[in-house]
Amino acid sequence: DAKTTQPPSMDCAEGRAANLPCNHSTISGNEYVYWYRQIHSQGPQYIIHGLKNNETNEMASLIITEDRKSSTLILPHATLRDTAVYYCIVTNAGNNRKLIWGLGTSLAVNP
Amino acid sequence: GAVVSQHPSWVICKSGTSVKIECRSLDFQATTMFWYRQFPKQSLMLMATSNEGSKATYEQGVEKDKFLINHASLTLSTLTVTSAHPEDSSFYICSALHRGSYGYTFGSGTRLTVV
Repeated sequence: DAKTTQPPSMDCAEGRAANLPCNHSTISGNEYVYWYRQIHSQGPQYIIHGLKNNETNEMASLIITEDRKSSTLILPHATLRDTAVYYCIVTNAGNNRKLIWGLGTSLAVNP
Repeated sequence: GAVVSQHPSWVICKSGTSVKIECRSLDFQATTMFWYRQFPKQSLMLMATSNEGSKATYEQGVEKDKFLINHASLTLSTLTVTSAHPEDSSFYICSALHRGSYGYTFGSGTRLTVV
């Protein structure tokens, strides 16, 4: 699976949009970009995923560059409860695929 | 949505004893469960992959005789930490693939402290 690079930490004001970048320059054609987050002392939570098109759901938007070498997770109106570590993972869609976890981005949403 | 129930959420045990952690998929069948370990300020490290009805596959460096995994049914997988030592103190998390959804569903984690 391709490796990802994320900034170690970011800050965001409550109510503002949080834009979390991820670089995955070695991504291959059949690999998806997945985003998870982990609130302190809890299991990870699925946020969103995409292949090449931009995606949006009730939690976030995912913007993938045309060359697919990077992506941005957007939390449109961050709240204090969005404070968490956000992980960007690239993996294929095959069954029983392993997820390789980096250190993620620790997002602090400030009042 | 898909839910994985993990118990206990925390446990303290004496050195040398064994601890069992359970993960149940509540509303779906999980043919494959993944078990992770996470030390403070570190990322999740995959320990093993368990498939229902067959032996688990362990990652390099994980002792299979110490971390016993049983996946006897499509809704239950267990991890037993045998002869626990303080260095086994960690946050253990299970995860299951829900074929009807897009991603893995994770349990809420178990904080193990060995004293």
